[in-house]
Amino acid sequence: QKEVEQDPGPLSVPEGAIVSLNCTYSNSAFQYFMWYRQYSRKGPELLMYTYSSGNKEDGRFTAQVDKSSKYISLFIRDSQPSDSATYLCAMSANAGNNRKLIWGLGTSLAVNP
Amino acid sequence: NAGVTQTPKFRVLKTGQSMTLLCAQDMNHEYMYWYRQDPGMGLRLIHYSVGEGTTAKGEVPDGYNVSRLKKQNFLLGLESAAPSQTSVYFCASSRAGEAFFGQGTRLTVV
Repeated sequence: QKEVEQDPGPLSVPEGAIVSLNCTYSNSAFQYFMWYRQYSRKGPELLMYTYSSGNKEDGRFTAQVDKSSKYISLFIRDSQPSDSATYLCAMSANAGNNRKLIWGLGTSLAVNP
Repeated sequence: NAGVTQTPKFRVLKTGQSMTLLCAQDMNHEYMYWYRQDPGMGLRLIHYSVGEGTTAKGEVPDGYNVSRLKKQNFLLGLESAAPSQTSVYFCASSRAGEAFFGQGTRLTVV
């Protein structure tokens, strides 16, 4: 079993839809949770960063962490064609100097005009 | 603010040739990483560094070597390139968990 599981999709939605992207994980030591967006032929860019549990909102994006269920989500409201990309979740444990990130495989999202 | 810069952006190598990929960051981050990204495999960690002068193996280190002589630079070397090393290589740096990525190096080994 992988430490982080993420449905690769592809996910196709109409413009304006609410998108829900999810990852599950098995390591209860994970404390830092991130969502990255990767456009085709580009490097991943940090979208949302959350420490421990709870919600974080930034514009149209909301990240949720449920540590009891080992489940994280990214919600995109009023989705736009420019949101079409691959979304990767990543997480790490608070393990001293070891800051390795554990990655999901990414979910491909297409927002259709 | 350049962030993380990778050189070169594209390269074609013949089997058996060697090359070095350069990563430079200007954010004073302690931690740096080299990943490869392949279709269906996601990002896989090759090597990483927790500070100047230190390196450690990641998930897929075979066939690669790294050096971190200066805090801002992290070099990835391929001593004898193989077709299985055809991939997109990403460098990243971080401070407190979140990583910042370069734009990638597209490497083809023929």
